[in-house]
Amino acid sequence: NAGVMQNPRHLVRRRGQEARLRCSPMKGHSHVYWYRQLPEEGLKFMVYLQKENIIDESGMPKERFSAEFPKEGPSILRIQQVVRGDSAAYFCASSLGQAGNTEAFFGQGTRLTVV
Amino acid sequence: GIQVEQSPPDLILQEGANSTLRCNFSDSVNNLQWFHQNPWGQLINLFYIPSGTKQNGRLSATTVATERYSLLYISSSQTTDSGVYFCAVSSGTYKYIFGTGTRLKVLA
Repeated sequence: NAGVMQNPRHLVRRRGQEARLRCSPMKGHSHVYWYRQLPEEGLKFMVYLQKENIIDESGMPKERFSAEFPKEGPSILRIQQVVRGDSAAYFCASSLGQAGNTEAFFGQGTRLTVV
Repeated sequence: GIQVEQSPPDLILQEGANSTLRCNFSDSVNNLQWFHQNPWGQLINLFYIPSGTKQNGRLSATTVATERYSLLYISSSQTTDSGVYFCAVSSGTYKYIFGTGTRLKVLA
């Protein structure tokens, strides 16, 4: 049973470009969460999605960031017009039921570097 | 919001030594997980432990929810145990609040 799969593992973008990060949850999991880890810090919640629905995006910057979890295919975190401050590790997690009631499993993360 | 503090912030051990990592939280929680982030950045689930005690090999964890803390025990440490250990809690929601971590280095 494969775990949470994220790709790419590493992504380099120039300032102003777009970054697309992908996350395939564990089989059977319909709850997906994105977290961001800045250097030397813990992870911080960004957004919670279920299939075709954004449940809570309170941790996501209002501009340039968006997330989706379509009926078919992986969840996508999209960052438009990236800036240096977007450089971080982005982790996706999934759970069978709502996290907080069940265990959440994290992927390996995507390390975004903006040059 | 809920605050999560981990101690010690840094720890250096000789291979074979035992250690205890602590996680304090400022309010009642209904979920707590321990993670190990290895030197390659991968986040590995160690324990899902809202309360009680669990053991997995050389690692064990105890959460005393009423006193708002959790402990992670590492026995007979190995160099592969190096990395950062995070405690994460949730309190009635799906959002995990992560502590700042304990950075462990095990020397051969």
